[in-house]
Amino acid sequence: DIQMTQSPSSVSASVGDRVSITCRASQGINSFLAWYQQKPGKAPNLLIYAASSLQSGVPSRFSGSGSGTDFTLTISSLQPEDFATYFCQQANSFPLTFGGGTKVELK
Amino acid sequence: EVQLVESGGGLAQPGGSLRLSCAASELTLDNYAMTWVRQAPGKGLEWVSAISDNAGVTYYADSVKGRFTISRDNSKATLYLQMNSLRAEDTAVYFCARDRLPGGYYYMDVWGKGTTVTVSS
Repeated sequence: DIQMTQSPSSVSASVGDRVSITCRASQGINSFLAWYQQKPGKAPNLLIYAASSLQSGVPSRFSGSGSGTDFTLTISSLQPEDFATYFCQQANSFPLTFGGGTKVELK
Repeated sequence: EVQLVESGGGLAQPGGSLRLSCAASELTLDNYAMTWVRQAPGKGLEWVSAISDNAGVTYYADSVKGRFTISRDNSKATLYLQMNSLRAEDTAVYFCARDRLPGGYYYMDVWGKGTTVTVSS
């Protein structure tokens, strides 16, 4: 199985900050990676697919990069509605696997 | 409203069974792979099972293999998860989700709100 390791597990930031979250796969997954945002009590929301493609309706301050084993989600200027938990997910092979999550908190 | 709506969750005893349903409203499931994902209280997301667009292929996490069965009825626009031999560690909110595009890419862009399964005596 492919293990997905996210870091950091939490980050404290202020509105307007640039925030980057990394996700490392235990083996190469090409660009078969998605990023989701989840708020408490809600379902996940797809932000990025295929490592760097922005899902329709998602603000352009979100971007994704990487391929192979190392991936990054960047929020260029954090907005109040961005305080949430973010998960990566590999779609290269079954079983599909998620990272452990990164909680973005208000500093 | 375009949505997926899960049902069938509740309290079950260890060793018991539940059948979850995921009904699509104003949304087609035809030609789309579907997935179940669960989230234990206070924990992260765990992929459970997936099914191809025509139900020809199914996939399971090792933790549920042999106990859970995924199926679909495209004529009813409904996805199912039959859960047998339930364990305490199956306690979670269960989400169904639809693939972003037809063809089985397994990036999920439409999610239900989830149904809660509690396994306890």
